[in-house]
Amino acid sequence: QVQLQESGPGLVKPSETLSLICTVSGDSITSYYWNWIRQPPGKGLEWIGYTHHSGSTLYNPSLKSRVTTSVDTSKNQFSLNLRSVTAADTAVYYCAKWAEPLWAFDIWGQGTIVTVSS
Amino acid sequence: IVLTQSPDTLSLSPGERATLSCRASQTVSSRNLIWYQQKRGQAPRLLIYGASNRATGLPDRFSGSGSGTDFTLTISRLEPEDFAVYYCQHYDGSPLTFGGGTKVEIK
Repeated sequence: QVQLQESGPGLVKPSETLSLICTVSGDSITSYYWNWIRQPPGKGLEWIGYTHHSGSTLYNPSLKSRVTTSVDTSKNQFSLNLRSVTAADTAVYYCAKWAEPLWAFDIWGQGTIVTVSS
Repeated sequence: IVLTQSPDTLSLSPGERATLSCRASQTVSSRNLIWYQQKRGQAPRLLIYGASNRATGLPDRFSGSGSGTDFTLTISRLEPEDFAVYYCQHYDGSPLTFGGGTKVEIK
């Protein structure tokens, strides 16, 4: 059974870069598409984008200019970098596995809270 | 595509029937319509895929239906553990979108 675990700083200063890692266990990271999703406090879910070990990526147009994702197959990890953050980027950040036959996220990490504040 | 969920909040008692709506701003394929459940402090959990297919292990009191622009998640008899927020999701290329959610709360 695939398991996902997010890690990274819980506090980021405005204008800096938010960097998170998701560690995949239970299967090879080369097998699937990997996603980042966020949820501001008390609000709904927002898809950030996906990444694949082939280098293929797709981002939400609303965040595309600030987002970079990548896969490290040697560590079975994938990462998120979000540049020039503001308080509006404060959220719980989830990593999730895309189950292509289902067109759905079938496995989620527990989420990590990132606060943008000076 | 914008997904609009209604109502925002549903106040019901255990044992009652819950009917949640997800309306798309244009016709979508049923294959691409998904439902999740999110309990407080937890990550979302996949409930329904392809508009009407239950995820592995999901009790049969949960059912999904609909086509075109109108989709429904029904919980036939609410159990205490079903009080949560429910989201619909759609993806057919870009961008992937979620509805705003419906909170099912205890009356």
